[in-house]
Amino acid sequence: DADVTQTPRNRITKTGKRIMLECSQTKGHDRMYWYRQDPGLGLRLIYYSFDVKDINKGEISDGYSVSRQAQAKFSLSLESAIPNQTALYFCATSETYGGAQYFGPGTRLLVL
Amino acid sequence: KNQVEQSPQSLIILEGKNCTLQCNYTVSPFSNLRWYKQDTGRGPVSLTIMTFSENTKSNGRYTATLDADTKQSSLHITASQLSDSASYICVVSDNSGGGADGLTFGKGTHLIIQP
Repeated sequence: DADVTQTPRNRITKTGKRIMLECSQTKGHDRMYWYRQDPGLGLRLIYYSFDVKDINKGEISDGYSVSRQAQAKFSLSLESAIPNQTALYFCATSETYGGAQYFGPGTRLLVL
Repeated sequence: KNQVEQSPQSLIILEGKNCTLQCNYTVSPFSNLRWYKQDTGRGPVSLTIMTFSENTKSNGRYTATLDADTKQSSLHITASQLSDSASYICVVSDNSGGGADGLTFGKGTHLIIQP
């Protein structure tokens, strides 16, 4: 089984809808992250969390929110989706500061 | 501001040929540099890590180099295979102790191996 899983893998939604992307991990890491990837822009950090009670904004958090339900679960919500949020979204974990990032398979989101 | 620049943006080579990808960074204070491979439709996977004292590290047909003085790294792929077709992302970590993990991501090099 994969160490980091994301659901759904693909999602099409309409402008204004609220959607949630979910991430689960079995690596036992406290540190979890949400990134989005756009062609030509690379990976950009949306939110990160170092434990259940710790939530931090990344460089592009506007329009997004997160919930850390447990050490193993970290969800990303788009409160009111807009077309420029169309992107590939990745969840990742790491064990230590500056350590290797372990990425999930990604969620491809299309906002119409 | 910390930055990581990768070149070329994209590269097409024939199967069996060698290639070299470049990563230049302005990250301070430097902690380590990782190369990730991202296959189409999948998440990035770490290939190798370089620390300040390391000049060269190999992982099969992949060889990474680091010149901490010029702040440059390269990833050399020998005898390329079709499975090497992917994006390669350079990620540099500082040891400032602040932020998410002190990580600065390059935008990646998209490599296509043609038969």
